[in-house]
Amino acid sequence: DAGVTQSPTHLIKTRGQQVTLRCSPKSGHDTVSWYQQALGQGPQFIFQYYEEEERQRGNFPDRFSGHQFPNYSSELNVNALLLGDSALYLCASSLPRLADNEQFFGPGTRLTVL
Amino acid sequence: QKEVEQNSGPLSVPEGAIASLNCTYSDRGSQSFFWYRQYSGKSPELIMSIYSNGDKEDGRFTAQLNKASQYVSLLIRDSQPSDSATYLCAPRYGNNRLAFGKGNQVVVIP
Repeated sequence: DAGVTQSPTHLIKTRGQQVTLRCSPKSGHDTVSWYQQALGQGPQFIFQYYEEEERQRGNFPDRFSGHQFPNYSSELNVNALLLGDSALYLCASSLPRLADNEQFFGPGTRLTVL
Repeated sequence: QKEVEQNSGPLSVPEGAIASLNCTYSDRGSQSFFWYRQYSGKSPELIMSIYSNGDKEDGRFTAQLNKASQYVSLLIRDSQPSDSATYLCAPRYGNNRLAFGKGNQVVVIP
């Protein structure tokens, strides 16, 4: 049973650049949520994708955008990178129609902005 | 008021003892609650879910939920060095969004 996968594992960018992170959900899951985890903090919800549409969004600026593909995989794009965007970016997949609707996280992408 | 409050100060427990972790949340509408374990440099791993008031046991872990008090706790019995990690409480808010606190850091001393 394939778990959630994310790529790349690590990424170093400079201020002002753009980045794309990728996520493949756990087998059978159709919903992908993205979270940002700064050092020493808990994960913060960025947005959630279901049926190729953004269904919910957290308190993040429009520089953060995403996409979901027909195979349920997802991308997170961040434009005009700031130093404060340095964080661990986590993707979580779920199947909301299940009663327990648990979210399972991938290994994350560590983004460093210099 | 923060969405989720956890005492993030390190909790040191001797090996074999019980670790007790607490969490309060602000949204009275939350119906589902999750505990994740996160090792340093790794991603969160789901260890417990609880949906009804009372206790739920799974191996050495017991989750306790009191919706009236907006309180969730996690007990780790017979603590092992491998339990040393940060434990994240996550109620589900709104439409499938998880809200996280800073986490409780647990250090098990051999």
